[in-house]
Amino acid sequence: GAVVSQHPSRVICKSGTSVKIECRSLDFQATTMFWYRQFPKQSLMLMATSNEGSKATYEQGVEKDKFLINHASLTLSTLTVTSAHPEDSSFYICSARDPGQLLTLNTEAFFGQGTRLTVV
Amino acid sequence: AQTVTQSQPEMSVQEAETVTLSCTYDTSESDYYLFWYKQPPSRQMILVIRQEAYKQQNATENRFSVNFQKAAKSFSLKISDSQLGDAAMYFCAYRSRGSQGNLIFGKGTKLSVKP
Repeated sequence: GAVVSQHPSRVICKSGTSVKIECRSLDFQATTMFWYRQFPKQSLMLMATSNEGSKATYEQGVEKDKFLINHASLTLSTLTVTSAHPEDSSFYICSARDPGQLLTLNTEAFFGQGTRLTVV
Repeated sequence: AQTVTQSQPEMSVQEAETVTLSCTYDTSESDYYLFWYKQPPSRQMILVIRQEAYKQQNATENRFSVNFQKAAKSFSLKISDSQLGDAAMYFCAYRSRGSQGNLIFGKGTKLSVKP
């Protein structure tokens, strides 16, 4: 299957600083990527849909000025948590779908390894 | 809006036995996809099995199979011959056929496997 790489896997930052998380599709071009947030022992909640070359679409309740998403190329999307606060501490996961695959694989979303963000 | 419900926060199974994880969903759409994902302690999401709603035949992947009841909007996962490596969080997920690819997840079921 397709590979999605997410970096860093863990990051600790001070309150008030910004953190950038990268999501790369290594062997396919992803026109669309997705950013999820997972609180401890909870499910994944979609934060935003990242579209290459255009503005991201944010889910209701997600602050677009705090969670900046950039999808400048077909293989890279970034999530920047600006002015981070302890309540932003969470597990962030990206995913992408390979529209170029055969129909059966086309239905599958491939996930990055996730990033555990801790704001102190 | 679509919703996915997993009513079993935790399940336990003896090694080599069979366990079934429940999932129900709500949608007004007729064409969609359903998935089961496994999330081990590493937190990497791993696709276990997928089902296209237009297919009546239940999907099977080795020891994993589903019982897809479209009318009842039920999508359970059966794990046969459970192995220690099956211990993980299992998430049921829904995707609209017409969507870009975003998934709607249930809250998950934590599966423990006893040796």
